[in-house]
Amino acid sequence: DSGVTQTPKHLITATGQRVTLRCSPRSGDLSVYWYQQSLDQGLQFLIQYYNGEERAKGNILERFSAQQFPDLHSELNLSSLELGDSALYFCASSPRIGAGSTDTQYFGPGTRLTVL
Amino acid sequence: GENVEQHPSTLSVQEGDSAVIKCTYSDSASNYFPWYKQELGKRPQLIIDIRSNVGEKKDQRIAVTLNKTAKHFSLHITETQPEDSAVYFCAASRETSGSRLTFGEGTQLTVNP
Repeated sequence: DSGVTQTPKHLITATGQRVTLRCSPRSGDLSVYWYQQSLDQGLQFLIQYYNGEERAKGNILERFSAQQFPDLHSELNLSSLELGDSALYFCASSPRIGAGSTDTQYFGPGTRLTVL
Repeated sequence: GENVEQHPSTLSVQEGDSAVIKCTYSDSASNYFPWYKQELGKRPQLIIDIRSNVGEKKDQRIAVTLNKTAKHFSLHITETQPEDSAVYFCAASRETSGSRLTFGEGTQLTVNP
């Protein structure tokens, strides 16, 4: 158990719908990352938050958005869902950014999204 | 941006043999190189990592080597066991990119009893 929690574990929805995935980082970790894992794209970085602020953006679609709340949990919102959005969505956390070193990221169990 | 290539995509070995997985990266500013093991449907689990100021790191049966000049790093697993069977991912990151990880495409390792 990495200490990172994600809910829900599974999500099945229809095209055009909107869903919210939730992530709670390890106790004390300030940085949260979201990754998407699909069969044809591998593990892709989506977005990162650090202490409530967006820090870096990857290949995240405009239909997707995220935020990190004062209690440091994060939510990833996916809207106007398409079949191709079906994937495993992982959240990872690390203590901090930078300060001359790169922190280890610990992954949560993931949310499996199926869009029908 | 960073690009990480990983080889081979599949690797089958006999129990007790060694396994080697290789990765190359493109961004010379990358300074952190973790390896993750992922079992089917489970989360990626960190098994070992190396930073750019170190050339080699070992943890029991697992070792990682880094060649900064050639921009490649490798995972070595000795005395493989059936429970080592999984997908292994290499990754690279640099602090100035916000520490995002760029992953290789993964290697499916199968250890045959």
